[in-house]
Amino acid sequence: QQPVQSPQAVILREGEDAVINCSSSKALYSVHWYRQKHGEAPVFLMILLKGGEQKGHEKISASFNEKKQQSSLYLTASQLSYSGTYFCGTDNQAGTALIFGKGTTLSVSS
Amino acid sequence: NAGVTQTPKFQVLKTGQSMTLQCAQDMNHEYMSWYRQDPGMGLRLIHYSVGAGITDQGEVPNGYNVSRSTTEDFPLRLLSAAPSQTSVYFCASSQGFGYEQYFGPGTRLTVT
Repeated sequence: QQPVQSPQAVILREGEDAVINCSSSKALYSVHWYRQKHGEAPVFLMILLKGGEQKGHEKISASFNEKKQQSSLYLTASQLSYSGTYFCGTDNQAGTALIFGKGTTLSVSS
Repeated sequence: NAGVTQTPKFQVLKTGQSMTLQCAQDMNHEYMSWYRQDPGMGLRLIHYSVGAGITDQGEVPNGYNVSRSTTEDFPLRLLSAAPSQTSVYFCASSQGFGYEQYFGPGTRLTVT
């Protein structure tokens, strides 16, 4: 089942903060976060693993609530370069592949 | 390292034609996947492979075939193209589940 992301879109001014949420109906081993600029491929931001391990960019923060099967991506003091579509990815039913949500579009203006 | 490469970048097909989208990686990754991206639908998993000789279906496998004869290559075959297969196709690879996925630049396919 595809994870559900919210909100669908966010509009910010530079310096403002945003939170993007991702939830799943199944127990998760990991949550991945990627950002995609228009016309480009998705780029890795962070992985959060069951048990608390995190891998990713130092400037990006995220949380993973295993019991609630939810993750949140925190974008603080947003910059113009943060604009793009953010995708969360979670384990498929077999736990062998990554399936993605529909994405959250973030627009940051000056 | 070239990373993940995909060819072609753009392709136009007529309904019923067949073609193969190529994907190759030079990072010795075991995991490879194919996704399609349509407006408002996000990235949907078509097929994936956990190693040479092993493939499995994803969320939207119908109309697509894959094989994995080498670690490096993971081609995606459309046997009889349909307009519903108009999309942007991304190939991705990783060293394992729970690791960063590296995406190729994508192939934009139009079926008329």
